[in-house]
Amino acid sequence: DVKVTQSSRYLVKRTGEKVFLECVQDMDHENMFWYRQDPGLGLRLIYFSYDVKMKEKGDIPEGYSVSREKKERFSLILESASTNQTSMYLCASSLRSGANVLTFGAGSRLTVL
Amino acid sequence: GQNIDQPTEMTATEGAIVQINCTYQTSGFNGLFWYQQHAGEAPTFLSYNVLDGLEEKGRFSSFLSRSKGYSYLLLKELQMKDSASYLCAVRSPIKAAGNKLTFGGGTRVLVKP
Repeated sequence: DVKVTQSSRYLVKRTGEKVFLECVQDMDHENMFWYRQDPGLGLRLIYFSYDVKMKEKGDIPEGYSVSREKKERFSLILESASTNQTSMYLCASSLRSGANVLTFGAGSRLTVL
Repeated sequence: GQNIDQPTEMTATEGAIVQINCTYQTSGFNGLFWYQQHAGEAPTFLSYNVLDGLEEKGRFSSFLSRSKGYSYLLLKELQMKDSASYLCAVRSPIKAAGNKLTFGGGTRVLVKP
């Protein structure tokens, strides 16, 4: 089974702190994605990457950056956390070819105080 | 732009049938996915339609009409464990990166005894 592992299940940070969310997948998928999920808004795409060192903005990239130095790892960075970034963050990966079915990690619930 | 609409919540009785509708208006279309998400868990893949018609997988079926921008997910012989959120997602092409998924807000289904 494809496994997508997110390093932290729950985080509590203070406004202005720098936050790193790590995601690792073990099935050699080319594509990796970061979404945030908020009640009533569904999943919204923040950033994605289709290859090592490649990154593309999603629908809501403001306030976030990403890093993909290795194929299996995709990091989401909040340079200066704000309260409106309190959310559930979901990482996902997929093959580049075929149906591109996403496999999701369990999520990281971030609270910014 | 992308616009995907689905009802917020539905309630049904154990053993019954429920149909979850999804309408979409997107710039580019390359397929439609349905995911299931139990509370506090990651979304998991249910079905994928790229051509018009009905795809059946056991108790679950998914239908697509591309000309109408419409899909539905049919859940038959409902079981208590089917209580979950059901996410409709449209795949659309992006630059050289392949495809990305845009999600609707999700439909929370509550199955009652």
